[in-house]
Amino acid sequence: EVQLVESGGGLVKPGGSLRLSCAASGIAFSKAWMSWVRQAPGKGLEWVGRIKSKSDGGATDYAAPVKGRFTISRDDSKTTLYLHMNSLKTEDTAVYYCTTDGYCSGDSCYSGVDWGQGALVTVSS
Amino acid sequence: EIVLTQSPATLSLSPGEGATLSCRASQSVSSYLAWYQQKPGQAPRLLIYDASNRVTGIPARFSGSGSGTDFTLTISSLEPEDFAVYYCQQRSNWFTFGGGTKVEIK
Repeated sequence: EVQLVESGGGLVKPGGSLRLSCAASGIAFSKAWMSWVRQAPGKGLEWVGRIKSKSDGGATDYAAPVKGRFTISRDDSKTTLYLHMNSLKTEDTAVYYCTTDGYCSGDSCYSGVDWGQGALVTVSS
Repeated sequence: EIVLTQSPATLSLSPGEGATLSCRASQSVSSYLAWYQQKPGQAPRLLIYDASNRVTGIPARFSGSGSGTDFTLTISSLEPEDFAVYYCQQRSNWFTFGGGTKVEIK
């Protein structure tokens, strides 16, 4: 059974930084493409970014609203995914979900096959 | 950016009735469209990928159809556990989600 457990959420002031972690089990983590998806309170879903497996090059891609501020990384030895968030804005307030990518064709996969329970990040002064 | 528009925003139905949810893309996404279900306080769950393929374990009452810009999720006969919010997502050009359709009990 796939388990994804996010941690590291909390309250941070605008302009601050935070790092989310996602501990994965039940999957071949080193081969997995992983994503982060967020959901603002009472709103819909928004893709944040993804990281490919190291064997597929390890490239990262980001949504326009977070590009240059957020960084996704992975530690395959710890089967853990990270989301480093800098220069946080009030509009970054959301539940952040760690997801596995799958049902791929070519260089594209769906970014939501398995989901963690989410970590709440609140950006407020 | 490809915009996905879901309609209606809310669907009020009774258990046993059928539900038809629509997702329209601002440009063609071929068949690269998925459907998710989200219940209050829970993470979303993938139901359908590539427009019409059911994920293993998803009941047969859920079906997807469409290609290009117009897609439909059909629930043939609503069970009590099906009342939730449904989102579509495209992966043709990066990734975007629709705004969601809430299926509520009438």
